[in-house]
Amino acid sequence: NAGVTQTPKFQVLKTGQSMTLQCAQDMNHNSMYWYRQDPGMGLRLIYYSASEGTTDKGEVPNGYNVSRLNKREFSLRLESAAPSQTSVYFCASSGGLGNWGYTFGSGTRLTVV
Amino acid sequence: RKEVEQDPGPFNVPEGATVAFNCTYSNSASQSFFWYRQDCRKEPKLLMSVYSSGNEDGRFTAQLNRASQYISLLIRDSKLSDSATYLCVVSGDMNYGGSQGNLIFGKGTKLSVKP
Repeated sequence: NAGVTQTPKFQVLKTGQSMTLQCAQDMNHNSMYWYRQDPGMGLRLIYYSASEGTTDKGEVPNGYNVSRLNKREFSLRLESAAPSQTSVYFCASSGGLGNWGYTFGSGTRLTVV
Repeated sequence: RKEVEQDPGPFNVPEGATVAFNCTYSNSASQSFFWYRQDCRKEPKLLMSVYSSGNEDGRFTAQLNRASQYISLLIRDSKLSDSATYLCVVSGDMNYGGSQGNLIFGKGTKLSVKP
């Protein structure tokens, strides 16, 4: 019962480097999400995908791109990392928007130096 | 006004105590309400949904007051293992951050249960 799997768990990047955070769920969920969590800021939505084939911006999308590769997978890409993107990133999935609880992955701790 | 507001705590209580967390939300159109638990350096996990009639799960009781836009979580007979941050979560509106009906998370209330 894997649920939501995120990789990598930890990453250190230099400013300007790029990377892709991977997320996969095995619960046949329609909707997937990427959040970042910073001290004192709580969880903030970066991008979400209501269903396979669609993606939309959340509260803090600048500096990120996403791809809903198929129903299972939803990746987050940082094209040119900045120190302000140092954060813990969580992927989540749910049966649908709004009225469903989310299941989260274990997170990726990203440091940009 | 912030979408979801919680007292950040920390709440430091002895084992066996009863502790209550409160949360207010700004979107009167919200339809879904949850409490999540987040342990240190871990992902948030769904603790319980919150229904208008109130609901109970063992030592945990959740209440919703739609008129006051207020949600509460009561923990009875606190255990050491209850130490965590508790996140109040509500569904957003159509115009929140470009998302439609996505969940909005409060910043959480930290609970520390001491022996």
